[in-house]
Amino acid sequence: ETGVTQTPRHLVMGMTNKKSLKCEQHLGHNAMYWYKQSAKKPLELMFVYSLEERVENNSVPSRFSPECPNSSHLFLHLHTLQPEDSALYLCASSQDGTSRTQQYFGPGTRLTVT
Amino acid sequence: AQKVTQAQTEISVVEKEDVTLDCVYETRDTTYYLFWYKQPPSGELVFLIRRNSFDEQNEISGRYSWNFQKSTSSFNFTITASQVVDSAVYFCALSDPGGATNKLIFGTGTLLAVQP
Repeated sequence: ETGVTQTPRHLVMGMTNKKSLKCEQHLGHNAMYWYKQSAKKPLELMFVYSLEERVENNSVPSRFSPECPNSSHLFLHLHTLQPEDSALYLCASSQDGTSRTQQYFGPGTRLTVT
Repeated sequence: AQKVTQAQTEISVVEKEDVTLDCVYETRDTTYYLFWYKQPPSGELVFLIRRNSFDEQNEISGRYSWNFQKSTSSFNFTITASQVVDSAVYFCALSDPGGATNKLIFGTGTLLAVQP
């Protein structure tokens, strides 16, 4: 595997379910990100991890819980979501957490909350 | 506050036409980076270019070219002789170097449809 991978690619869940999104980067990067992409809206940064430490939490509701066990893996744990949380969730990584380095994105997980 | 505006929501062209995607940004920082990403139907954002705010030279890469003008806060992207494979959503983004992290501020994207 190369680049940034995300699983699952598609997820349908009820509002009372608990599920997790997984992201893995094979680039040797030290920073990882979660973004939310909703229709007709700009990509919204949710969380940033640098060297496995959360350095940004962009006012995200607590029903989204990130976890970064090591620099190659990032999870987004979901529970009691709302229909408006349906979106494409994109993971990205970069060499470090500075603005000089470009971010490499995964293919995303298309989430539908019913 | 930083902001990126892509006024063109959708553009449709016929193959082999040239097309320019507009990007206007706002920032108070003197040092910043601008990016263009391509998002094909598969969903993955593909990095196209990064431009440092101190480097105003235009860049050409094959059929792609970028025109960076600080005076008008614009970073426009031109595809020459467009092809069907260019059909995608294109995002312009601005980095936020003033923050503690590598925060990208994205525009709303321009959907480019290239018809055969």
